[in-house]
Amino acid sequence: NAGVTQTPKFQVLKTGQSMTLQCAQDMNHEYMSWYRQDPGMGLRLIHYSVGAGITDQGEVPNGYNVSRSTTEDFPLRLLSAAPSQTSVYFCASGTGLANPSGEKLFFGSGTQLSVL
Amino acid sequence: QKEVEQDPGPLSVPEGAIVSLNCTYSNSAFQYFMWYRQYSRKGPELLMYTYSSGNKEDGRFTAQVDKSSKYISLFIRDSQPSDSATYLCAMISAAGNKLTFGGGTRVLVKP
Repeated sequence: NAGVTQTPKFQVLKTGQSMTLQCAQDMNHEYMSWYRQDPGMGLRLIHYSVGAGITDQGEVPNGYNVSRSTTEDFPLRLLSAAPSQTSVYFCASGTGLANPSGEKLFFGSGTQLSVL
Repeated sequence: QKEVEQDPGPLSVPEGAIVSLNCTYSNSAFQYFMWYRQYSRKGPELLMYTYSSGNKEDGRFTAQVDKSSKYISLFIRDSQPSDSATYLCAMISAAGNKLTFGGGTRVLVKP
């Protein structure tokens, strides 16, 4: 009963390094998304996907890339890490959002990223 | 100005008190409203979901929506120390794929 699994839980990078945050879900959800959470800013959407092969930008996409080759996986790539990308990153999945039956997002436990 | 405003707190109450949380929003296209609870170092989890003006109850939790005033509230009755967490409001338009969150209110329930 894994739900949404994020790896790694913690990561320290140097400015300019690249890395990929992994996200996998085992609930066969079509919708997956990445958020970053900063103090006082709430959760801000980075990128999202409504199905394999389909991705779109959220509120703060600059500096991040995503791809969705399978239903299960939605990795987030930092191309050249900057100190402004120090944050906690959450992956979430769901079968839909605007659903009157009350479908919901399931969140992973987060990745704490520090960029020095 | 943010689309969704939420007082960051912290809001400190004694055990058994009623906790009152609220959010205001500016986008009249928002039609679905949610409250998430987030414990420290954990991902958010959905508490309440509503799409109509008025009240919705679930156990000790009541969600209230006033679309005419663009104002939503969450009330927690008989608060417990285990209710200590950050509460985030979230909302989405009818045709949207993007959930917009408030900044979250940190709640502390003291025994």
